[in-house]
Amino acid sequence: QSVLTQPPSVSAAPGQKVTITCSGSNSNIGGNHLSWYRQVPGTAPTLLIFENDKRPSGIPDRFSGSKSGTSATLDITGLQTGDEATYSCGAWDSSLNVVVFGGGTTLTVL
Amino acid sequence: QVQLVQSGSEVRKPGSSVKVACKASGGGAFSSHTLGWVRQAPGQVLEWMGRVIPSVDVANYAQKFEGRVTFTADKYRSTAYMEMTALTSEDTAVYYCAKVDPFYTLAVWGQGTTVTV
Repeated sequence: QSVLTQPPSVSAAPGQKVTITCSGSNSNIGGNHLSWYRQVPGTAPTLLIFENDKRPSGIPDRFSGSKSGTSATLDITGLQTGDEATYSCGAWDSSLNVVVFGGGTTLTVL
Repeated sequence: QVQLVQSGSEVRKPGSSVKVACKASGGGAFSSHTLGWVRQAPGQVLEWMGRVIPSVDVANYAQKFEGRVTFTADKYRSTAYMEMTALTSEDTAVYYCAKVDPFYTLAVWGQGTTVTV
């Protein structure tokens, strides 16, 4: 359903590392910058990573992003229970002329 | 840092229209910002609706919403608006405004406005 593909859920223990993937095509991830957003249920998304690998001020370096070809990853290290949220990727799609989003990945910190 | 505060929840009947406001404060002149609109139906993914550029009074719409949605901006009130007509139950969603930075980074989001049809 979503133009960008993400796993529905990931989980890991506190202190561990988790990787969330986002897969697309040449018209979106392959040709444009990618952002990652964090959303706690019942609240608005917030920007986590922009332009593939940049962190806004206030985002700790435990969060990192990368992009290769038509895929991107979000790494979260030193997991904390407060990191539980849904993480979504988003990018401009040059063919559809819209911002496209992934379906969101729900992170559970066990 | 700009802050975006949206108007409150709305309940509408099918076939009617709704207008959602998004007021910006801080973070420079309102006209210097581009504001996008994104909606999220219950349990669904984020959906881009389009954007408005107040400095030049230009709005761009996702094809899905063309002709049924209008974005406007009042520079004097530092407020952007999203009006949707011919509402159906499928328009029930949380509607967000967001500051659009280069490369379509949605840098700052409003708190969301729930529209129930």
